[in-house]
Amino acid sequence: GQNIDQPTEMTATEGAIVQINCTYQTSGFNGLFWYQQHAGEAPTFLSYNVLDGLEEKGRFSSFLSRSKGYSYLLLKELQMKDSASYLCAVKDSNYQLIWGAGTKLIIKP
Amino acid sequence: GAVVSQHPSWVICKSGTSVKIECRSLDFQATTMFWYRQFPKQSLMLMATSNEGSKATYEQGVEKDKFLINHASLTLSTLTVTSAHPEDSSFYICSARFTRGLGNQPQHFGDGTRLSIL
Repeated sequence: GQNIDQPTEMTATEGAIVQINCTYQTSGFNGLFWYQQHAGEAPTFLSYNVLDGLEEKGRFSSFLSRSKGYSYLLLKELQMKDSASYLCAVKDSNYQLIWGAGTKLIIKP
Repeated sequence: GAVVSQHPSWVICKSGTSVKIECRSLDFQATTMFWYRQFPKQSLMLMATSNEGSKATYEQGVEKDKFLINHASLTLSTLTVTSAHPEDSSFYICSARFTRGLGNQPQHFGDGTRLSIL
């Protein structure tokens, strides 16, 4: 079966750095997406990785290792507004998006 | 960036009522639109995928006669929850993607519709 694993919840301090991991087992791979979702709102697109390596976009970076079936989202200089759920999603061989359950990130002052 | 508009944002209605939710891509042509539902503290659950001009493809366990999807144009898709009951209460979210062939563009989400059936 297809499976995406992320930690359920993480806590970090304002101004610090946090890494949210995602491991996946899917039938084929055609890219990995990270989305941010604030409570009661729809997800917003953060990043996309299809090749191995690190993609940096401001305070957020996303890393992919296809051989390990592994990705992480790195958030730097954490702000209170970064408190949200972070969803990892993988596009399989049929170009269908398989969603992880999301990681709830709690930022403390 | 790409904008997807979803209306209404909140619906409260009596059991047995049919509810229509609209999803519009405002600044791009959405060849593919997706409908999700999300229960509290749970991840997105894909209900159906619709391609412009063709019938929607429903996920297993989703009743196509209950959740009617129409994708008549490249900028509009509608989801109609027919004869809604309290168990249909949920957060419904649409997303849209411009796809030529099997490209890897991200999905852009609407703001969601919170449906409460009394």
